[in-house]
Amino acid sequence: GQQLNQSPQSMFIQEGEDVSMNCTSSSIFNTWLWYKQDPGEGPVLLIALYKAGELTSNGRLTAQFGITRKDSFLNISASIPSDVGIYFCAGNNAGGTSYGKLTFGQGTILTVHP
Amino acid sequence: NAGVTQTPKFRVLKTGQSMTLLCAQDMNHEYMYWYRQDPGMGLRLIHYSVGEGTTAKGEVPDGYNVSRLKKQNFLLGLESAAPSQTSVYFCASNPRTLPSVFGQGTRLTVV
Repeated sequence: GQQLNQSPQSMFIQEGEDVSMNCTSSSIFNTWLWYKQDPGEGPVLLIALYKAGELTSNGRLTAQFGITRKDSFLNISASIPSDVGIYFCAGNNAGGTSYGKLTFGQGTILTVHP
Repeated sequence: NAGVTQTPKFRVLKTGQSMTLLCAQDMNHEYMYWYRQDPGMGLRLIHYSVGEGTTAKGEVPDGYNVSRLKKQNFLLGLESAAPSQTSVYFCASNPRTLPSVFGQGTRLTVV
């Protein structure tokens, strides 16, 4: 199956630092999504990207859809303790039969030290 | 507005037992999905449905069956549970456009 490589696998940062994580794929995607998962909860959508080159912000979060359609990154500025969690990228295939099926990266575990 | 609701939240099964996980959504979404989450592997698609009465296999369908008799419900069945099916199961739904909305998950342990 398709592979999404997400990096880094984990990050330990101080409160106030900026964070950057990315995903790369061997295949083209027509949608990139970034989700956050808190312990014991389901993934919650952070940012959705629908167009190559698109740069979208949501508060302190910024994400970009790569021009090649094979990568995406997420930045978090001025991290705070509640940013702790697992961040997932997810891609949806180009093509009419994709039906919203998502391929997920392995996740980035973020720890923020006060 | 409850969104996507999964029951049960936790379950322990013995090898060989059967069970059904229920997913209910109140957003009138067309598409529904079952994913499993294992450590270090992200979420992987088990089965999905693009409408009432239709189901299709995802990436890891073996050992699971699904049914979508009503638009708002998507059931995941394990006929004979195996320890390899120990995982956290997530249901998701969306209209014909993304993004997907996820439930809170069902943590299943097979001993």
